[in-house]
Amino acid sequence: SAVISQKPSRDICQRGTSLTIQCQVDSQVTMMFWYRQQPGQSLTLIATANQGSEATYESGFVIDKFPISRPNLTFSTLTVSNMSPEDSSIYLCSVRTDVREQYFGPGTRLTVT
Amino acid sequence: QQQVKQSPQSLIVQKGGIPIINCAYENTAFDYFPWYQQFPGKGPALLIAIRPDVSEKKEGRFTISFNKSAKQFSLHIMDSQPGDSATYFCAATDSWGKLQFGAGTQVVVTP
Repeated sequence: SAVISQKPSRDICQRGTSLTIQCQVDSQVTMMFWYRQQPGQSLTLIATANQGSEATYESGFVIDKFPISRPNLTFSTLTVSNMSPEDSSIYLCSVRTDVREQYFGPGTRLTVT
Repeated sequence: QQQVKQSPQSLIVQKGGIPIINCAYENTAFDYFPWYQQFPGKGPALLIAIRPDVSEKKEGRFTISFNKSAKQFSLHIMDSQPGDSATYFCAATDSWGKLQFGAGTQVVVTP
């Protein structure tokens, strides 16, 4: 298994500002992902965080809005840029182990006012 | 287009009952089917997973049934307890592909 921590756990931000979310894993993992989950909804994949190269974004998500860093095999950041109230959501970091099990962090609850 | 269809959206059972959640998929390349349990305010937790070479897998009170020909799989919670009240998500993926999630089922177990 993998133990994942995220910072911050929650934040309230003003429109037009940016927030960087940190994800730390207790072991080296190849695959790291960022998801968004709106209240009462399923999980939507934002991007795959690639170590040493640019992240791979899903349809509807762009690097300018959600820049991602992955400096090593245990850490990643997701920035939500130029926020609007529509960005209010839970943002989740996730990792996949070598046996294909995928684990999720506790999430960051973002409210944009 | 949702690749994994999950039902029901919600269900309520009494303590000791057996809530059953069903999922269906179309992509025959899917070969790994996990279930996640999510409590309010928490991230999803991997509960149990199955591969298509087995028809059933049990872990504690949780059982997955898998019907490869019908492309369906289901989660049964045996002897359900109020502490099992949560949202459950099924998912599916092919080799090293991205997880495709169902819409989720909110389960309420009454005392």
